[in-house]
Amino acid sequence: EAGVAQSPRYKIIEKRQSVAFWCNPISGHATLYWYQQILGQGPKLLIQFQNNGVVDDSQLPKDRFSAERLKGVDSTLKIQPAKLEDSAVYLCASSLTGTGPYEQYFGPGTRLTVT
Amino acid sequence: GIQVEQSPPDLILQEGANSTLRCNFSDSVNNLQWFHQNPWGQLINLFYIPSGTKQNGRLSATTVATERYSLLYISSSQTTDSGVYFCAVVMTGTASKLTFGTGTRLQVTL
Repeated sequence: EAGVAQSPRYKIIEKRQSVAFWCNPISGHATLYWYQQILGQGPKLLIQFQNNGVVDDSQLPKDRFSAERLKGVDSTLKIQPAKLEDSAVYLCASSLTGTGPYEQYFGPGTRLTVT
Repeated sequence: GIQVEQSPPDLILQEGANSTLRCNFSDSVNNLQWFHQNPWGQLINLFYIPSGTKQNGRLSATTVATERYSLLYISSSQTTDSGVYFCAVVMTGTASKLTFGTGTRLQVTL
């Protein structure tokens, strides 16, 4: 069974530029999560989707971050404009949906460096 | 929000040694997962263990939800066990949001 796929794996941009990350969850997983992991810390949830609806985006900096999951499968996370403090690894995870909670599985992450 | 503390923060072992990692959480949970983050950054699922005891090879885990802690045991450690170990919990009554602990950085030497 294929795991969570993410691309790109690495990205270097200058501050004030924009960037987008892509995630494809495990087949059959209706819940998708984006986490941000700053160096030396544990991941922190940015946004959670169930199918194509947002369940929790309370920690998403909405002035610069946006995310969508239009067809309830893959998802895109965008940052515009980027700041130096956005340098981090962006992890996508997925899980089953139902009366859970269910085990979450993580992709390999996208390492973003903002210069 | 819920607080998740892990100990010790750093651990150096010689290959073959055993170790116990601890995770304390401040509120009731209905999900707890242990992860190993390898040197390439990949989070690898070790255990999904909201309560009870599980074993997988050289690793085992125990969660005592009523006392708000979980333990991860590593026996006969190998150099490939090096990396950061995270526990993560979902607080009861919330959606599936995982709150991660502070992590334990393990280095296994020859």
